[in-house]
Amino acid sequence: EPEVTQTPSHQVTQMGQEVILRCVPISNHLYFYWYRQILGQKVEFLVSFYNNEISEKSEIFDDQFSVERPDGSNFTLKIRSTKLEDSAMYFCASSVMLSYNEQFFGPGTRLTVL
Amino acid sequence: QQQVKQSPQSLIVQKGGISIINCAYENTAFDYFPWYQQFPGKGPALLIAIRPDVSEKKEGRFTISFNKSAKQFSLHIMDSQPGDSATYFCAASNTGNQFYFGTGTSLTVIP
Repeated sequence: EPEVTQTPSHQVTQMGQEVILRCVPISNHLYFYWYRQILGQKVEFLVSFYNNEISEKSEIFDDQFSVERPDGSNFTLKIRSTKLEDSAMYFCASSVMLSYNEQFFGPGTRLTVL
Repeated sequence: QQQVKQSPQSLIVQKGGISIINCAYENTAFDYFPWYQQFPGKGPALLIAIRPDVSEKKEGRFTISFNKSAKQFSLHIMDSQPGDSATYFCAASNTGNQFYFGTGTSLTVIP
């Protein structure tokens, strides 16, 4: 069964450093998403991406965040200068269509900022 | 602003019992309400979803009840099994794109 994969499973970084979280969406999916989940809290939408453009983003997704689809398979989230409060589980998701369609989530990357 | 409120935070049910998780929303523009199930170490997985044109949707042992006037919806798990032990998130969306998630309910089904 096709699935969304994410690497690394756990990333530890120093405050102020740049991190890149990687995702490989399901191959025939066209819409890609990033969410985060701070420990013990709800899952929060960050951004959606389609046709090499951001289609929607939340207030959390400020200038320190960026997304990219550098090739035909990977989808990345870059955090330019990490803060302590960026520590969270980051989930990538993908869907075939945009609206009202099942989003398939990856297993997540746990980011720890020291 | 908390767009979707979920309760209870945790729930313990005997095997064979009914698990009920409730959610309430504020934004009347929401028109898609999925429930996600998450096991430890895994990402959320879609369990069942409903649009507001129906008041109930059933898939196997899982049922969503939807009350548009009260702006509430709930998940009922019939004949709960130990394998149902997981965290359940309700969510809402008005574009089908950006989901607003509830805070999650940790369900434990005791054998």
